[in-house]
Amino acid sequence: RKEVEQDPGPFNVPEGATVAFNCTYSNSASQSFFWYRQDCRKEPKLLMSVYSSGNEDGRFTAQLNRASQYISLLIRDSKLSDSATYLCVVNKGNQGGKLIFGQGTELSVKP
Amino acid sequence: NAGVTQTPKFQVLKTGQSMTLQCAQDMNHNSMYWYRQDPGMGLRLIYYSASEGTTDKGEVPNGYNVSRLNKREFSLRLESAAPSQTSVYFCANQENSNQPQHFGDGTRLSIL
Repeated sequence: RKEVEQDPGPFNVPEGATVAFNCTYSNSASQSFFWYRQDCRKEPKLLMSVYSSGNEDGRFTAQLNRASQYISLLIRDSKLSDSATYLCVVNKGNQGGKLIFGQGTELSVKP
Repeated sequence: NAGVTQTPKFQVLKTGQSMTLQCAQDMNHNSMYWYRQDPGMGLRLIYYSASEGTTDKGEVPNGYNVSRLNKREFSLRLESAAPSQTSVYFCANQENSNQPQHFGDGTRLSIL
């Protein structure tokens, strides 16, 4: 079983759609959770951190369920510029700051 | 304020050649990391440095060495390049263990 698992997609959605990405992780000792965005052939960029209470940043909402070891990202009112690969990232818990990256979910937003 | 800077951005080597990938940060963060990213493989950790003067192996260290010259710089060396090391290499830094990592814009390395 992979340490972080994501649906690889691709997700093809029209502009204005709502899309949800899911992620599961296997290390119950993980304490920090993030969503990154990666555009084609570019570096990963932090989209948002994920907190236990859930958090929202504009059109983006992240949720964490520690009991189920499950993380989600919801994008509302999709824009063409949201097209990218979204990486679910989890820290290794008792191994300092090392992060585990999911393989990413590809999103393509069409006009 | 550049954040994390990697040089060079592109490089083509012949098998057996050596080279050093440079990474520098201006964020004064303690930890620095080197990753490689290959199609279908996601990001894999090569080496990391939790603080100045310390380095540790990651998931795929074979064929690489690193040097944490000071708090600002963390270099990755290929002593004898092999075609299997063709990849995109990313350097990242991190303020502390609960914080996210910040990436440089990568070095695209091809080994013929």
